Amino acid sequence: EAQVTQNPRYLITVTGKKLTVTCSQNMNHEYMSWYRQDPGLGLRQIYYSMNVEVTDKGDVPEGYKVSRKEKRNFPLILESPSPNQTSLYFCASSLTGGDTEAFFGQGTRLTVV
Amino acid sequence: GQSLEQPSEVTAVEGAIVQINCTYQTSGFYGLSWYQQHDGGAPTFLSYNALDGLEETGRFSSFLSRSDSYGYLLLQELQMKDSASYFCAVRAITGGGNKLTFGTGTQLKVEL
Repeated sequence: EAQVTQNPRYLITVTGKKLTVTCSQNMNHEYMSWYRQDPGLGLRQIYYSMNVEVTDKGDVPEGYKVSRKEKRNFPLILESPSPNQTSLYFCASSLTGGDTEAFFGQGTRLTVV
Repeated sequence: GQSLEQPSEVTAVEGAIVQINCTYQTSGFYGLSWYQQHDGGAPTFLSYNALDGLEETGRFSSFLSRSDSYGYLLLQELQMKDSASYFCAVRAITGGGNKLTFGTGTQLKVEL
């Protein structure tokens, strides 16, 4: 089954404690991205990757890091989480960065206290 | 950068037709997509328009006018299960970058 898998689904952590949210897709997609969703603000792109070892900033990259060492995986790293990073996070992938549909993971609800 | 505007809420009755508008400002415009999201769930793809005109997929249609920087999603024969948030999203490709920017979403409530 074609899917994008994120882990964990829920996470409560403390300020400053490094964490990684994993994202994996099994569709051999080139384009992967991370979004955060906050009430009234829609989905905002954090980082995206057009292929292995190719990443670029989205609209809200501050406080986040990503890597793309393998085509299927695109982890999101918060080196020093802060309460303003409390949000619902989605990973997405698409065949290319062009006109193809994006497939979303089920989301990670992160709370930073 | 990119900016998109869509209404925050729309209410309609079951069986009716509803149109959700989206206006955008962007450089490097490549196409306009629509996504549906039920409460807390993952967004799912509905449609994509790169060229002017209407694209029809079952009860849903999407329209784009590139000259007006405007598009809409048309939902026909509304069902209760259509109650969800709908997002327009602009694909923009500039200077080697390739971003997908979403609007803030329109919450559709379908009533009996």
